[in-house]
Amino acid sequence: AQSVTQLGSHVSVSEGALVLLRCNYSSSVPPYLFWYVQYPNQGLQLLLKYTTGATLVKGINGFEAGFKKSETSFHLTKPSAHMSDAAEYFCAVSEDSSASKIIFGSGTRLSIRP
Amino acid sequence: GAGVSQSPSNKVTEKGKDVELRCDPISGHTALYWYRQSLGQGLEFLIYFQGNSAPDKSGLPSDRFSAERTGGSVSTLTIQRTQQEDSAVYLCASSLQAAYNEQFFGPGTRLTVL
Repeated sequence: AQSVTQLGSHVSVSEGALVLLRCNYSSSVPPYLFWYVQYPNQGLQLLLKYTTGATLVKGINGFEAGFKKSETSFHLTKPSAHMSDAAEYFCAVSEDSSASKIIFGSGTRLSIRP
Repeated sequence: GAGVSQSPSNKVTEKGKDVELRCDPISGHTALYWYRQSLGQGLEFLIYFQGNSAPDKSGLPSDRFSAERTGGSVSTLTIQRTQQEDSAVYLCASSLQAAYNEQFFGPGTRLTVL
């Protein structure tokens, strides 16, 4: 069965600094991987996803994530943080099956310091 | 266009009462998910419906929780004999069939059990 671990429930960075949110997964078959974002008082929305092909995935708002099979990781990065990036970020995994459910990590709250 | 809708948006109930939460998925989406998001916690998977297949109920926390999906569309999550620990935001999401497709989330139902 698949699972997701997000390291760090809360990450704080300065505006303009690098953002790195860590995600490790466990899956017995090639996974599909996702990052979702939940802005304050809003619903969850998809930030980016990895299915097959290029291991570096670009998403909205300048975020990107790299799939590393050898490390079973799918860390989310952004070169320069903006105040509007403050939100809760969730990593999720699903197996390569039309019948597979999606499992979410516990989330990482990102705070941006002025 | 119409997204995923949930009703009610807020529900306050007394301990021991039964509650029903409704989810209207996006038309044509065959997959429907229920999650629970407690204060400061991640998304806890509850149940997953995929087309006409038997639902995956592996995330339901107790037999007080049940869900059904009528006609492959609307879903109702029922919590019997509510307890204070059931207080949370209950999120519904729908997606097209394949596991790699984006989940679209509803705004959630905030349940408060007094």
